[in-house]
Amino acid sequence: GAGVSQSPRYKVAKRGQDVALRCDPISGHVSLFWYQQALGQGPEFLTYFQNEAQLDKSGLPSDRFFAERPEGSVSTLKIQRTQQEDSAVYLCASSLATGASYEQYFGPGTRLTVT
Amino acid sequence: AQTVTQSQPEMSVQEAETVTLSCTYDTSESDYYLFWYKQPPSRQMILVIRQEAYKQQNATENRFSVNFQKAAKSFSLKISDSQLGDAAMYFCAYKVGSGGSNYKLTFGKGTLLTVNP
Repeated sequence: GAGVSQSPRYKVAKRGQDVALRCDPISGHVSLFWYQQALGQGPEFLTYFQNEAQLDKSGLPSDRFFAERPEGSVSTLKIQRTQQEDSAVYLCASSLATGASYEQYFGPGTRLTVT
Repeated sequence: AQTVTQSQPEMSVQEAETVTLSCTYDTSESDYYLFWYKQPPSRQMILVIRQEAYKQQNATENRFSVNFQKAAKSFSLKISDSQLGDAAMYFCAYKVGSGGSNYKLTFGKGTLLTVNP
């Protein structure tokens, strides 16, 4: 079946612009995760959804970052008034259920460049 | 807080040879999972192998095996008979096994593996 897809794959934004990054998880996956991967670094956790409920947003770096999953499927990560430090690859992952034993399947990521 | 450390930013191996990637971690938990992920240049992260901390036997998946030393908090990945397709960034990751944050992966900084023909 289809894996996790993300769009756009590449996004260039001028500083101060708002951006929206989309994630389509694997069908039927309850849990959805967003990670931020800065250049040369490992991914860092941003936020987690179980169905439509955002249960953990502790990793969001500022109140300019907002994520939603209104119908428990597609998720959007929105960044308002982008700054240069927001430049990174944003990875989405989904898993069948919540819990340590469930594998997270990753999408290809969206590379955001803020100029 | 849990931390994962990969001390080798880059490694190289000749095709068909064996290479070992190192990872250490720090945790006060007794129940946890450890993972190795592969991230090829296309950037889609793929799970290579996982190890449950309560299992003493080291996990193996075909050419990939781990050396899990729980007391030393060490979790290395051995790739045997290296192939050109193994070239990628490899990330070591940790997840607590139970409790409120048992969904959150913590990653190391990665090791870039080059396979020379």
